[in-house]
Amino acid sequence: RKEVEQDPGPFNVPEGATVAFNCTYSNSASQSFFWYRQDCRKEPKLLMSVYSSGNEDGRFTAQLNRASQYISLLIRDSKLSDSATYLCVVILPGGNQFYFGTGTSLTVIP
Amino acid sequence: EPEVTQTPSHQVTQMGQEVILRCVPISNHLYFYWYRQILGQKVEFLVSFYNNEISEKSEIFDDQFSVERPDGSNFTLKIRSTKLEDSAMYFCASSDPLPTIGYTFGSGTRLTVV
Repeated sequence: RKEVEQDPGPFNVPEGATVAFNCTYSNSASQSFFWYRQDCRKEPKLLMSVYSSGNEDGRFTAQLNRASQYISLLIRDSKLSDSATYLCVVILPGGNQFYFGTGTSLTVIP
Repeated sequence: EPEVTQTPSHQVTQMGQEVILRCVPISNHLYFYWYRQILGQKVEFLVSFYNNEISEKSEIFDDQFSVERPDGSNFTLKIRSTKLEDSAMYFCASSDPLPTIGYTFGSGTRLTVV
């Protein structure tokens, strides 16, 4: 069973577009959620934590829907520099291990 | 901004050889981790380490693997008798005290087994 599932994409969007990614998780007791960004052959870098109330950081908005067991990431006004793979990450209760999704590839086109 | 440092950045080794991957976690962090990512696949958990012992490990982390914190700053992953399928990026990470605000990952060691 996959703990975390993501649509791998790829998503190809023009500059300035709004794009949204979803990620579903299987364990309803999962307690912490994150979005990470990974550039080609680089380490994952924390983009934002995802809180129950939803949170926003500039052009990025993350939402958590516990009832449906999914988290989302919305990117507004896409920039060329947003091109990367976006990784959904979940921590299960009682542990400190990250479960990564396979990632969603985004390419922003000029 | 504090960093997790990994060395070497790239290691090529012959099948059957032992390798040691090195990491210097962020100095005030208490939890340390190793993850790996086979090319084109997802990032996978190997092991977490706290208070000088393994706190969690995955099925991947079998007897071929070991971790050590030989001094106050380094955190190492040893892979004995490497196999071709061990070729991957190996990422070290640290967190303080629990990862509820996310880990910081090192830039990784690319291991190529030939």
